[in-house]
Amino acid sequence: EDQVTQSPEALRLQEGESSSLNCSYTVSGLRGLFWYRQDPGKGPEFLFTLYSAGEEKEKERLKATLTKKESFLHITAPKPEDSATYLCAVQAEEYSGAGSYQLTFGKGTKLSVIP
Amino acid sequence: ETGVTQTPRHLVMGMTNKKSLKCEQHLGHNAMYWYKQSAKKPLELMFVYSLEERVENNSVPSRFSPECPNSSHLFLHLHTLQPEDSALYLCASSQERPEEVYEQYFGPGTRLTVT
Repeated sequence: EDQVTQSPEALRLQEGESSSLNCSYTVSGLRGLFWYRQDPGKGPEFLFTLYSAGEEKEKERLKATLTKKESFLHITAPKPEDSATYLCAVQAEEYSGAGSYQLTFGKGTKLSVIP
Repeated sequence: ETGVTQTPRHLVMGMTNKKSLKCEQHLGHNAMYWYKQSAKKPLELMFVYSLEERVENNSVPSRFSPECPNSSHLFLHLHTLQPEDSALYLCASSQERPEEVYEQYFGPGTRLTVT
């Protein structure tokens, strides 16, 4: 069974204080790992897709990296507007009958950036 | 309208009511999804439609009934719900391509409260 564990559950940072969020996963074969941002009362907003170990992607103050067992979302010099819940999801390579369309999500990390 | 839209945004219903949630995607995608998001739990996939055919049903109770009349519209019909069904219901869409990884784009969600 595919599993995704995100840590920490919640993170409070001062504005400008860089840090990383972790996403550990167990999957039979990884097709893709996705990062989403979710603001309160809204749907998740797509950020990145990572396909293979060693891959990195950047967007403004965010950088996502991938190893064979985990992914990190690095936040450099965060601002208050970066406050949100960040979700990680994996898509398995093997069609399990439950649908290769299925994403397995973690519970998310709630990030608060204090001015 | 752009992206994925959902109506209503908020819904309060009694346990004996019948209501429907509506989702529309303006992205030209060929797959649509219903997810349930409860506090402290990962997103749970409920239903998947690809090319207007249902391909996934994760043992969702029969009080939830999906309908996909075309590739742009998705409904979730609700009847005799239970208080534990109170949650944020999210619709998503994606462009499925064989042998490729595809991200899902989410709507803003419907906040459902069952009294």
